[in-house]
Amino acid sequence: GENVEQHPSTLSVQEGDSAVIKCTYSDSASNYFPWYKQELGKRPQLIIDIRSNVGEKKDQRIAVTLNKTAKHFSLHITETQPEDSAVYFCAASTGTGGFKTIFGAGTRLFVKA
Amino acid sequence: GAGVSQTPSNKVTEKGKYVELRCDPISGHTALYWYRQSLGQGPEFLIYFQGTGAADDSGLPNDRFFAVRPEGSVSTLKIQRTERGDSAVYLCASSLSGANNEQFFGPGTRLTVL
Repeated sequence: GENVEQHPSTLSVQEGDSAVIKCTYSDSASNYFPWYKQELGKRPQLIIDIRSNVGEKKDQRIAVTLNKTAKHFSLHITETQPEDSAVYFCAASTGTGGFKTIFGAGTRLFVKA
Repeated sequence: GAGVSQTPSNKVTEKGKYVELRCDPISGHTALYWYRQSLGQGPEFLIYFQGTGAADDSGLPNDRFFAVRPEGSVSTLKIQRTERGDSAVYLCASSLSGANNEQFFGPGTRLTVL
């Protein structure tokens, strides 16, 4: 079945450094790749997304890249701040038939002040 | 405006009992998703509705789980003969349509099966 692998499971960086989280997906029909941030005890919230017809997208300190051939995509956070500390989830969704969204297992990001 | 709401926020039940979890999506959102999230894991897809119909229920773990959305708005996830392994946070999300739009999540229902 469909699967999304996410690495690393935990990431600790110094404030101001960059953080990179990588995901791979198995379903070649996937065409939408959102990233969610979930703070402790809160609901997941979308921070950025990318569609399969785009290779890269940037929003201020956050960027996402997509390599469809290799079936992997990455989240890049620059100039990290303590408030970036949270769990980040990647996901892959296919628009064929149903719009099933498969999430990765998450990356716990710690930004040390 | 109002976001996605879910009730109850917490549900404690005994093994073998029946439970219903409710989701109120954002008004005008035709797509509705149910997920289950265990501690330290990502949301696990259960079912997706487009309007009143279940467009994809392939994530429902077994026939004890069932969901309805009779009028294309509120949805209820029903679990029969609950088991301890059903304990998790059940998340609902809605989006404008199913065409890969942003999903807005509710706060979740924490289900504990004793």
